[in-house]
Amino acid sequence: DIQMTQSPSSLPASLGDRVTITCRASQDIGNYLRWFQQKPGKSPRLMIYGATNLAAGVPSRFSGSRSGSDYSLTISSLESEDMADYYCLQSKESPFTFGAGTKLELK
Amino acid sequence: QVQLKESGPGLVQASETLSLTCTVSGFSLTSYHVSWVRQPPGKGLEWMGRIRSGGSTDYNSALKSRLSISRDTSKSQVLLKMNSLQTEDTAIYYCTLFDYWGQGVMVTVSS
Repeated sequence: DIQMTQSPSSLPASLGDRVTITCRASQDIGNYLRWFQQKPGKSPRLMIYGATNLAAGVPSRFSGSRSGSDYSLTISSLESEDMADYYCLQSKESPFTFGAGTKLELK
Repeated sequence: QVQLKESGPGLVQASETLSLTCTVSGFSLTSYHVSWVRQPPGKGLEWMGRIRSGGSTDYNSALKSRLSISRDTSKSQVLLKMNSLQTEDTAIYYCTLFDYWGQGVMVTVSS
């Protein structure tokens, strides 16, 4: 199975900060990488698909990038509504696998 | 519009079988793959498996001996069955297209 190593597990940050979350794939997954945001008590929300494509309705301060087997989600200027858990998911091959998650919280 | 809604028992006894239904609208099950994802309380997301648009299935390696996903296209429903439940199977269970998610259903496994 493909392993997705997500870091950091917790990310304290201030409003207006630029923050980056990373997932490293244990095998080649091409651009079959999605990012999800999840707020307490809510279902996950798709933020990024195809590693770099913004999902519908997602603010432009969010972006996705890839460098080799490392995939990153960046928020250019943190807003209070961005405080949430974030997960990556590889869908290159079954079984699909999620990263362990990153809790983004106010410093 | 696209909607998915999970339903099933909130409480199941250990060693028994869990049966969940995902009722969809706004799209055809023969055109999209539907996945099941679960989340234990306070923990991360786990992909359980999927049924493809053509009807074939894929499963999480750790669950495949206990898990079955099927569908009834006439009812626009995707069905999940998992046997030999343990307390560790207590979780919120979601059905999803990844672009769209159900609200989830909380399942508690009681010993």
